[in-house]
Amino acid sequence: GIQVEQSPPDLILQEGANSTLRCNFSDSVNNLQWFHQNPWGQLINLFYIPSGTKQNGRLSATTVATERYSLLYISSSQTTDSGVYFCAVELAGGGADGLTFGKGTHLIIQP
Amino acid sequence: NAGVTQTPKFRILKIGQSMTLQCTQDMNHNYMYWYRQDPGMGLKLIYYSVGAGITDKGEVPNGYNVSRSTTEDFPLRLELAAPSQTSVYFCASSILDRDRTEAFFGQGTRLTVV
Repeated sequence: GIQVEQSPPDLILQEGANSTLRCNFSDSVNNLQWFHQNPWGQLINLFYIPSGTKQNGRLSATTVATERYSLLYISSSQTTDSGVYFCAVELAGGGADGLTFGKGTHLIIQP
Repeated sequence: NAGVTQTPKFRILKIGQSMTLQCTQDMNHNYMYWYRQDPGMGLKLIYYSVGAGITDKGEVPNGYNVSRSTTEDFPLRLELAAPSQTSVYFCASSILDRDRTEAFFGQGTRLTVV
């Protein structure tokens, strides 16, 4: 099956810092999503981004499908950004038969 | 819209007991999914359904059963619960629309088997 690797696995930053999270995947995809899992365990949709660039406030994401990677940028970090960030993909040509998740990046923002 | 709703939020089972995790969505999505998340890991697909009456196995289906009698509901059944099924379970739904398949998740069910 498709492989999804996220880096770094852990990241500790001071409030106000910027960060870049990376997701590499091993095959062509027709779906790529970034999620934030908050400390209460809730999965929050950040971006649906199988290709291109999107921005939402302090967050932005870029997927270069031909090179099989995606980047999530967080600017001016706040303590509420803490949690685990997951990248998940769906293999191209497979319809919608489920996402494959990476192991996540655990982000801690210190005040 | 409520989105994807899961019940219960928490449950403790004894080894060998059975239970059903409920999932319902009100977005008229044709695709529904069950995932499990073990500590420190990403989610893994248990079962999925592409529409009422159709289900298929995911990566980790052993010990679980599903049914899909309506578009809205996709219950997950655990028979003979085992400690290895202690996990957080997430239900999700999506719709295939011109190759767009964005998935939306419920709030999860935390299950402990003792």
